[in-house]
Formats: sequence, structure tokens, C-alpha cells
Amino acid sequence: DAMVIQNPRYQVTQFGKPVTLSCSQTLNHNVMYWYQQKSSQAPKLLFHYYDKDFNNEADTPDNFQSRRPNTSFCFLDIRSPGLGDAAMYLCATSSTGNREDEQYFGPGTRLTVT
Amino acid sequence: LAKTTQPISMDSYEGQEVNITCSHNNIATNDYITWYQQFPSQGPRFIIQGYKTKVTNEVASLFIPADRKSSTLSLPRVSLSDTAVYYCLVGDALTNAGKSTFGDGTTLTVKP
Repeated sequence: DAMVIQNPRYQVTQFGKPVTLSCSQTLNHNVMYWYQQKSSQAPKLLFHYYDKDFNNEADTPDNFQSRRPNTSFCFLDIRSPGLGDAAMYLCATSSTGNREDEQYFGPGTRLTVT
Repeated sequence: LAKTTQPISMDSYEGQEVNITCSHNNIATNDYITWYQQFPSQGPRFIIQGYKTKVTNEVASLFIPADRKSSTLSLPRVSLSDTAVYYCLVGDALTNAGKSTFGDGTTLTVKP
């Protein structure tokens, strides 16, 4: 089945130690998103790629970066994780980003910062 | 961006119909209304989307009045497995200047 895959499902990192989260998709969608979801809160959009074009949300900290080397893969890099960055990180895709497109979400990676 | 307001939580019993209303007073002409369901430790899952009037699929119905300032997600005959958080999103996806933003969501608890 076509899907959005996130690895790993659980990630533990140390305070200040860079960490990379991975997302891959078999849907061949143009758009890939990264969301941060903290406990009991709604997902918050960090940034998205429309094809190769990177679009950062205005309030996303510089500590968060992303790479999309090809259509299928997208990475979230946290350069110096703080305790406040502990959260579920969700990757999603949509076909064209048009208003009628639904987003397909992966299962998420739960990041713990020690 | 159109802001959405939903009840924080709702309780229901198995077999009942559940209606969750979302308020979006500042909805723009091009905005669609989309609902997602999220179970604990999983990513959100698309339920239904509409622009106006009524939309029905195999899992839910979406009622949108003429002024589009609110919408109601209707889940027929809920079961325990429908216990989840339901998010209402309003936005123009990535086109133009608009994006869909997740509201606070409604936690639905279905009891036996």
C-alpha cells in the first residue's frame, strides 16, 4: 500500500545533540510537510516543501531545518535540541497542495530529549 | 487565516449519532472545510471535506450552512473505536496566501 513512512518511531537524543528524523513516501506527492505536536496540543506546521521549494513558517525556530533530496524523502534536522523540543513529529504529504487536497500523515516520530 | 473554534470535549455512548460543530466566522471565499481524526500516538487521518451544503461519505457527513461560518461533522452510530480527537481545518491549503491550520480539536469519548 502506498503510504507515508517515518523512521524511527521513537527517538531519544541528548540535550544539544543534533538529531535527524526521516520521512519517506510512496505516494509520489509533490508536497511534504513537517508538523510538531506536543502533548495534548494540535499539530503545528513547521515547514513544507512544494516539490523542491522550501517554505518555512514564520514562527519556526532556526534550530529546525529540513532537507528534501528527492521526491520520496524528506528529513527534519534539529541542530541543538532543547527540552522543549520533545514532541511527536509528524510528516505528511499532499498531491498538489491545492485547497481540495487531503493530507496523508505518517505515524509520527516521538522525540525525547534527555 | 480563518480561526476555528470547536468544543474541547464531548462524550457519547455506543450507537448514538454524534455531531461536532466547528465555528469559522472568518472563512474566506476560497476556503474548504476539512476534518481529520487522530488516535493517540498516530498521525491524523482525513475524514471528510466540503465547501458548501452537505457532503457524505462512508464514515461521516458534513453539514455546511449557506453562510459557511460554521460546519457540523456528523458521525452516525458511533462505536468505542471512534474515541479520538477530531480536528476541523479551514483554509486554502498551500495556494495563494492561505494554509490550513489545525485548531484545538475536540476529544470525543465514546462510552459503552
